[in-house]
Amino acid sequence: LAKTTQPISMDSYEGQEVNITCSHNNIATNDYITWYQQFPSQGPRFIIQGYKTKVTNEVASLFIPADRKSSTLSLPRVSLSDTAVYYCLVGDQYGGSQGNLIFGKGTKLSVKP
Amino acid sequence: KAGVTQTPRYLIKTRGQQVTLSCSPISGHRSVSWYQQTPGQGLQFLFEYFSETQRNKGNFPGRFSGRQFSNSRSEMNVSTLELGDSALYLCASRSVEKNTEAFFGQGTRLTVV
Repeated sequence: LAKTTQPISMDSYEGQEVNITCSHNNIATNDYITWYQQFPSQGPRFIIQGYKTKVTNEVASLFIPADRKSSTLSLPRVSLSDTAVYYCLVGDQYGGSQGNLIFGKGTKLSVKP
Repeated sequence: KAGVTQTPRYLIKTRGQQVTLSCSPISGHRSVSWYQQTPGQGLQFLFEYFSETQRNKGNFPGRFSGRQFSNSRSEMNVSTLELGDSALYLCASRSVEKNTEAFFGQGTRLTVV
C-alpha cells in the first residue's frame, strides 16, 4: 500500500473552512483515496472516498489533482464537534490481499470557539 | 442494518491472564480486521480474517491470535496479558465490493492491572 504523509495537527476556529492535505507519492493506478474521522474512544468513521478530481458529499469535499500524488480533505464551516483525528488512506478498492487497511498517525484537528 | 458489535465494551484483567474479545460484523460482510489503539502508537493493525481464514497479519507477538466463524463473527484472544496490552481494541468489517470502506465497532477497552 502507498505510504501517506499528513500533518500531525491543525487548529481552526468555528465557522472556518479547514483543508487537510495528504501526500501519497507512490499511489498505484488501482488505488483509491479514503478519509476517516475518529473521535476519542470511538472507532474511525468513513468520511469520503475518491479516485480523481473532486468528490463531494454532505460532510466534506475531496480534491485530487491530476497526478494523484496528494489529496485535500476540505471541511466547510467547521464546528466544535468536528474536533477529531482525520486519517488518509490509499488502497485498492476491490478485494484481494491488498485490501489491508493501514492507518497512519492521522491529523488531529482542534476546533476552537 | 445493524452495525458492528463488539463485546464486551470494557474489561479489566490481571497480568498473566488471558482474554477473548468478540466482534460481530455487519451482515454480509466477510472481512473482519482487528486493531489495537494506544495513545503512543496510534491505530495498529493486528490481523484480518476473510471467510474464516487469516488473510493478513500485523507485527504483533504470537500471544495475539484470532479466528473467524462461518457466520463471519470473529474473536481475538490475548494470552499471558502484559500491562502494555492495555488499549482500545477495535474491530472493522468490510464488504468485498467496497474494500476500502471499513465500518468500525465501538471497541473494547481493555485494562491490564
